[in-house]
Amino acid sequence: ETGVTQSPTHLIKTRGQQVTLRCSSQSGHNTVSWYQQALGQGPQFIFQYYREEENGRGNFPPRFSGLQFPNYSSELNVNALELDDSALYLCASSLGGGEAYEQYFGPGTRLTVT
Amino acid sequence: GEDVEQSLFLSVREGDSSVINCTYTDSSSTYLYWYKQEPGAGLQLLTYIFSNMDMKQDQRLTVLLNKKDKHLSLRIADTQTGDSAIYFCAEGTGGFKTIFGAGTRLFVKA
Repeated sequence: ETGVTQSPTHLIKTRGQQVTLRCSSQSGHNTVSWYQQALGQGPQFIFQYYREEENGRGNFPPRFSGLQFPNYSSELNVNALELDDSALYLCASSLGGGEAYEQYFGPGTRLTVT
Repeated sequence: GEDVEQSLFLSVREGDSSVINCTYTDSSSTYLYWYKQEPGAGLQLLTYIFSNMDMKQDQRLTVLLNKKDKHLSLRIADTQTGDSAIYFCAEGTGGFKTIFGAGTRLFVKA
């Protein structure tokens, strides 16, 4: 059984650029949630994908978008990057959609926007 | 509103018990969670408690929930240096969103 993996590990982008982050869910899980963790803060919920559909969204602007594929892996896309988008982006996989009392987190992608 | 608050820092000696406290605001919370994050790593789910329980014990970990005061605590018995990490309290409200606190940094002195 493989755990949650994310790529890339680190990324540096310039303000105004676009970025795509990837997440492979744990085997057997059909739900992926994305979180943004700024330095010194707790994770903030961005959105959740369940069976390839967006299942809920936090207080993030539309330039944060996502996809989930038939194999339940997922992408987070951020357009028009801003300096405040610099953070650790975490994905978590779970089973069943909705509240996931057993979420398994990946190691994260550290995004730096300059 | 939804808010989870926890103290930012706790220092204990190896072998002592650690108690990390958390308060939350949403009375409709269904599950309450404790996660651990080590440097450069993602979050590891330590334990969770359903909102109709008041205590859960799992080896060295004891979770106490006071639903009336919306207060959650995590006690780590016989704290070891390997327990040094950031501990996040989080609440789930029965929907898709989990709300996290800012984390408590636990420092264990040998």
